[in-house]
Amino acid sequence: SQTIHQWPATLVQPVGSPLSLECTVEGTSNPNLYWYRQAAGRGLQLLFYSVGIGQISSEVPQNLSASRPQDRQFILSSKKLLLSDSGFYLCAWSQRRGGHIPETQYFGPGTRLLVL
Amino acid sequence: AQSVTQPDIHITVSEGASLELRCNYSYGATPYLFWYVQSPGQGLQLLLKYFSGDTLVQGIKGFEAEFKRSQSSFNLRKPSVHWSDAAEYFCAVGGSSYGKLTFGQGTILTVHP
Repeated sequence: SQTIHQWPATLVQPVGSPLSLECTVEGTSNPNLYWYRQAAGRGLQLLFYSVGIGQISSEVPQNLSASRPQDRQFILSSKKLLLSDSGFYLCAWSQRRGGHIPETQYFGPGTRLLVL
Repeated sequence: AQSVTQPDIHITVSEGASLELRCNYSYGATPYLFWYVQSPGQGLQLLLKYFSGDTLVQGIKGFEAEFKRSQSSFNLRKPSVHWSDAAEYFCAVGGSSYGKLTFGQGTILTVHP
């Protein structure tokens, strides 16, 4: 069966510090990968998605970047954190079948980031 | 562009009462619709999904949802709510490129004993 891991679970960082959040998927290959941010009362905002190694699409302009160095690894980064980067970050994966038909997305446990 | 509206930010029901959470979507073609549930501090778990076929979809934990194209709705229902159903519920629509989903703002469900 497939599992998705995220770490760390919780992170407290000062403003201006760098960030690296990691997401890995087990039990599948060639997945689509997604990073979401969830701010209180604002639902889920898609930040990045990836359909393959090194292929990253950004959905919104922001202070964050993403990378996919391996097939089942997805990293969310920042060089200098802002207060507004605080939130709950969720990674998700889905089967890659191509086209526009969405496969079910499966979510990791999330990382809570607090920027002070 | 696709969008999802969940009109109710917060709903409170008594344990054992019936539940209906509303979801309205906007999408130009055949929508692919999902309901997810999120317990506090946790990731999202899929409750059910609709791709095609029977418009009444059964999911896990006793939930069901009905797709009504004429009303652009995909409301989630449960005949008898349990205290463990207290959580936040998200409706989502997909159909654009690369399987991306658009989520509603969520509905927080509180269950009174």
